[in-house]
Amino acid sequence: NAGVTQTPKFQVLKTGQSMTLQCAQDMNHEYMSWYRQDPGMGLRLIHYSVGAGITDQGEVPNGYNVSRSTTEDFPLRLLSAAPSQTSVYFCASSYDRRGEETQYFGPGTRLLVL
Amino acid sequence: GEDVEQSLFLSVREGDSSVINCTYTDSSSTYLYWYKQEPGAGLQLLTYIFSNMDMKQDQRLTVLLNKKDKHLSLRIADTQTGDSAIYFCAGGGGGNKLTFGTGTQLKVEL
Repeated sequence: NAGVTQTPKFQVLKTGQSMTLQCAQDMNHEYMSWYRQDPGMGLRLIHYSVGAGITDQGEVPNGYNVSRSTTEDFPLRLLSAAPSQTSVYFCASSYDRRGEETQYFGPGTRLLVL
Repeated sequence: GEDVEQSLFLSVREGDSSVINCTYTDSSSTYLYWYKQEPGAGLQLLTYIFSNMDMKQDQRLTVLLNKKDKHLSLRIADTQTGDSAIYFCAGGGGGNKLTFGTGTQLKVEL
């Protein structure tokens, strides 16, 4: 299993550009989510999904869109990039079986918006 | 929503025990987690504890949960230089909706 994969690893955007951060998992996990990590603020939840076709907003959803057309993929779209979106983005997936939940994180995408 | 707080920095000598503390506000979290992040890397799940447990031990790691005080701690026995990293506590009710603390940077000195 590859686990949780994210592409690209690094990206530089100009203000106003749009892009999609890709996330995929091959563990047949029901739950997937996106976090951003900023210095001194830990990780904050952007959007999450509890299954294909179902998404919901997290703590900091503004400026981001998601969709979940398959169990495996959960892309994050930046509609019009802003410098405030410079951050490290982590995708995560998990299952919840027999009361034992395990979370898996991808390696992260480092985004710089100029 | 949940608020999770951690001290920012901890320095210990190699071989000593490290204790990283975390306080949280939402007692409805079903699970409480400890993650480790090394420089430039993603998050590695170290251990987790159910909210109905007081203690969990996993090799060099001991997690203590004081539900009355909403206090969670991670003890690392015989701390090694490879333990130097940022440690995050997180609370959640399942489904990948986690609230993270700000992280504690652990520095292990020789």
